[in-house]
Amino acid sequence: GIQVEQSPPDLILQEGANSTLRCNFSDSVNNLQWFHQNPWGQLINLFYIPSGTKQNGRLSATTVATERYSLLYISSSQTTDSGVYFCAVVGTTGGFKTIFGAGTRLFVKA
Amino acid sequence: DAGVIQSPRHEVTEMGQEVTLRCKPISGHDYLFWYRQTMMRGLELLIYFNNNVPIDDSGMPEDRFSAKMPNASFSTLKIQPSEPRDSAVYFCASSELALGTDTQYFGPGTRLTVL
Repeated sequence: GIQVEQSPPDLILQEGANSTLRCNFSDSVNNLQWFHQNPWGQLINLFYIPSGTKQNGRLSATTVATERYSLLYISSSQTTDSGVYFCAVVGTTGGFKTIFGAGTRLFVKA
Repeated sequence: DAGVIQSPRHEVTEMGQEVTLRCKPISGHDYLFWYRQTMMRGLELLIYFNNNVPIDDSGMPEDRFSAKMPNASFSTLKIQPSEPRDSAVYFCASSELALGTDTQYFGPGTRLTVL
């Protein structure tokens, strides 16, 4: 099945810094989403982005489907950005089974 | 809309007992997903439904696990008998039409502890 790798696994930032999280996937995808799991465990959808670029406030994401990767940009990080960021994909074969990456754990220091 | 609703939020049970987790998806969403999250295995899709019909249950770990969706507004995930290794957070998610190629909205999860 499709493999999803995220990097880096852990990231510590000073408040106000920018960061880039990466998601590589091994096969073509119909669907790619970025989620944030906050420290209380809630999973929140950030972007649905199988291709192209989207922006939402301080967050933006770019997926280059032909090269099988997606990037999540966080600018001017805040302590509330802390948590785990997951990339999740649905491949073009095998139905609509969603595969999650292992996540990037982000801690933003005040 | 209230979002995806799951109950109970926490469940502690003893090995061998039956456990039933419940989910109410967002109204109008045709897809419903059950996930399990553990430290060792991360987030795994267990099963998903389309229009109340189970489509892919290949992620269900064993016959001890079963899921049903009797109508568009309710689904259950049952574990019988439960074992300590079933301890995890179980999430339910739903998405709108578009053949599953859409944003998934997650419930708050049920934290299950099997002693």
